[in-house]
Amino acid sequence: KQEVTQIPAALSVPEGENLVLNCSFTDSAIYNLQWFRQDPGKGLTSLLLIQSSQREQTSGRLNASLDKSSGRSTLYIAASQPGDSATYLCAALRDMRFGAGTRLTVKP
Amino acid sequence: NAGVTQTPKFRVLKTGQSMTLLCAQDMNHEYMYWYRQDPGMGLRLIHYSVGEGTTAKGEVPDGYNVSRLKKQNFLLGLESAAPSQTSVYFCASRTPGRGDTQYFGPGTRLTVL
Repeated sequence: KQEVTQIPAALSVPEGENLVLNCSFTDSAIYNLQWFRQDPGKGLTSLLLIQSSQREQTSGRLNASLDKSSGRSTLYIAASQPGDSATYLCAALRDMRFGAGTRLTVKP
Repeated sequence: NAGVTQTPKFRVLKTGQSMTLLCAQDMNHEYMYWYRQDPGMGLRLIHYSVGEGTTAKGEVPDGYNVSRLKKQNFLLGLESAAPSQTSVYFCASRTPGRGDTQYFGPGTRLTVL
């Protein structure tokens, strides 16, 4: 059974800082891995999808990496802004297993 | 395109009542999903469908039923609501392949008293 874990559960950083969010999974046969953003009281918005054959994906200030052998994915956010404050979730798409998320606060 | 829509947005039920949540997508996606989100637990898959007329159980299917009579709609039913089903319910859709992005609806907040 696939288990997806995100640590830390919450993170607070000053504006402008670069940061890394972590996602770990127990079964390397994950198919694809997707990162989402969720604002309070809202649905999930897709940020990046990494296919199982890929190592990373980039979109603007976001970069997601995937290392199936170690069971890890990371989401790198460059030059963080207060508007980045949200909960970030990762999901292993073969089993549709989600992590509990990391709640990010970027302080002005 | 409206994307993925959910009806209703909020609902309060009494224990033992029944209700149906409707999910609709206009992206011609093959796969559709129902999740529940509880505080501190992320999203958990209830049921899913890989095409019109098909359904399958997810991680937490007990107490729920689903139907997919039309490709664009996926219904989630609660036959006899229980307080443990108080949650936020999300619907999602995708078509597997190189694009493969999962699109989510805005959610339905359900409270069972």
